[in-house]
Amino acid sequence: EAGVTQSPTHLIKTRGQQATLRCSPISGHTSVYWYQQALGLGLQFLLWYDEGEERNRGNFPPRFSGRQFPNYSSELNVNALELEDSALYLCASSLEKLFFGSGTQLSVL
Amino acid sequence: GENVEQHPSTLSVQEGDSAVIKCTYSDSASNYFPWYKQELGKRPQLIIDIRSNVGEKKDQRIAVTLNKTAKHFSLHITETQPEDSAVYFCAASKGYGQNFVFGPGTRLSVLP
Repeated sequence: EAGVTQSPTHLIKTRGQQATLRCSPISGHTSVYWYQQALGLGLQFLLWYDEGEERNRGNFPPRFSGRQFPNYSSELNVNALELEDSALYLCASSLEKLFFGSGTQLSVL
Repeated sequence: GENVEQHPSTLSVQEGDSAVIKCTYSDSASNYFPWYKQELGKRPQLIIDIRSNVGEKKDQRIAVTLNKTAKHFSLHITETQPEDSAVYFCAASKGYGQNFVFGPGTRLSVLP
């Protein structure tokens, strides 16, 4: 059974650009979560989608947004990139237990 | 909303010793408590979990205990090995289809 998959693995952007990160959950999982992990730090909750709807969002500005598609895959969009957005972005999916993807390393130059 | 605290933030032990990491949660409705291990450069991996109807759960060298009255739960690692060195995260959830709230993490170093 395939795990949570994320693409791309690495993404390099310049300040002010937009980034799109993608996530495919484990088959059968309807909930998708996005977390930001800055180097050496904890898991900062970004967004939670379930059955196509946004259920909750963390303490992040509106330029962080996303969506969940009918097949339960998800996209995270970050507009007007800032240097401090450089981090590992982890996607996780859940039916009851939470499983993580390998992440997208976003570097903003 | 739920708040999860985790202590200590860093922990160093000698190989073969035991390690204990403690978490407290604030919402008495939380009923599912997983622990994750994140090695350097890798994804967080679920290593053990416990539900609120159970007081203790063991899996080889790791165990988790839960005290619902005090709203705290702990991860115990016995006979630590260098490969146990990682960051450990605790979390709390109200169960199926609910959000997960994570603690800030504990960096465990096992010294040979």
